[in-house]
Amino acid sequence: AQSVAQPEDQVNVAEGNPLTVKCTYSVSGNPYLFWYVQYPNRGLQFLLKYITGDNLVKGSYGFEAEFNKSQTSFHLKKPSALVSDSALYFCAVLTGGGNKLTFGTGTQLKVEL
Amino acid sequence: NAGVTQTPKFQVLKTGQSMTLQCAQDMNHEYMSWYRQDPGMGLRLIHYSVGAGITDQGEVPNGYNVSRSTTEDFPLRLLSAAPSQTSVYFCASSFWQDNEQFFGPGTRLTVL
Repeated sequence: AQSVAQPEDQVNVAEGNPLTVKCTYSVSGNPYLFWYVQYPNRGLQFLLKYITGDNLVKGSYGFEAEFNKSQTSFHLKKPSALVSDSALYFCAVLTGGGNKLTFGTGTQLKVEL
Repeated sequence: NAGVTQTPKFQVLKTGQSMTLQCAQDMNHEYMSWYRQDPGMGLRLIHYSVGAGITDQGEVPNGYNVSRSTTEDFPLRLLSAAPSQTSVYFCASSFWQDNEQFFGPGTRLTVL
């Protein structure tokens, strides 16, 4: 089955430090990968996507993600974390012949002063 | 643009009752979808539509029906509510499947 996995339920980072939220995927063919963020009591917001091209994808709010085909990973990164980045982050992959978005279980990011 | 709107925001049902969750978008998006969010399980796709008159099942379709008579609206019907359907429901839309999806604010449903 095509899927994504987020191995960490929670990531804690000090403000100003770099952050990484991990995602690995399992798909046949070329993956279409996404990152979304959810703030408390809100719907999800799109951060970035990888379809093809450069392995380093830049997105909203200073986030970027690195696509690594050999490691089947698509980790989300930010050079300097902010307290306001604290939220729930979801990795997702397009499956079902390109018609369905399958989400990971989410990683809670907590950025502390 | 209002974006994606969902009504109601909160709903409490008794087991066996039926109801319709409303979803509308004003961005002329072809693709619309319904998800449910449960703790520790992420979002799971219930049903989706690639255009007016076309719907298909997602990962967890049992107990839910959808229709897409217009581009703008994509209602989700619970036929006979069960406690297992207690969840937060999100509607989303996009121009096409590989575009970014815009999510509504969600409906928190409790089934007693």
